[in-house]
Amino acid sequence: RKEVEQDPGPFNVPEGATVAFNCTYSNSASQSFFWYRQDCRKEPKLLMSVYSSGNEDGRFTAQLNRASQYISLLIRDSKLSDSATYLCVPSTWISGGYNKLIFGAGTRLAVHP
Amino acid sequence: NAGVTQTPKFQVLKTGQSMTLQCAQDMNHEYMSWYRQDPGMGLRLIHYSVGAGITDQGEVPNGYNVSRSTTEDFPLRLLSAAPSQTSVYFCASSYSRRNSYNEQFFGPGTRLTVL
Repeated sequence: RKEVEQDPGPFNVPEGATVAFNCTYSNSASQSFFWYRQDCRKEPKLLMSVYSSGNEDGRFTAQLNRASQYISLLIRDSKLSDSATYLCVPSTWISGGYNKLIFGAGTRLAVHP
Repeated sequence: NAGVTQTPKFQVLKTGQSMTLQCAQDMNHEYMSWYRQDPGMGLRLIHYSVGAGITDQGEVPNGYNVSRSTTEDFPLRLLSAAPSQTSVYFCASSYSRRNSYNEQFFGPGTRLTVL
């Protein structure tokens, strides 16, 4: 079983649509959670961290369910510029001093006019 | 700040050749790491470092060496290139604070093809 499971998509949605991505992770010791965005042939960039109580950043809302080991990302009012691959990333603190990030393979979003 | 820089952007090697991928950061981050990204897979950790002089293996270290003589630089060496090492390589850096949301910053990547 993969450590992080994501639907690869693609999710094809029209501009203005609301779209939701889900992710499950297997390591119950994961402590911090992130969504990264990766544009085609570019490096991943942090979209947002995911906090236990859920959090919102503009059109983006992230939720965490530790009991079910499940993370979600909701994008409202989709823009063409939202077209990208969204990576679910739980992390665990490793003794020796670093956050070990485990990257999902990503969910691809294509927003069309 | 330049952030995380990587050179070269593209490289083609023949089987058995060796080379070094360069990575540098100017954010004074303690933690640096190398990942590879293959189609349909998540980024996989090759090697990492939590400070100058300290390195350790990630999940796919075979065929690669690293060293960290300064805080800024973290080169990745391919000892004897194999076609299975054809991939996109990303270097990343971050602060290393426990119980913090340590954002990892990525370089632009090196696209390596081994023939």
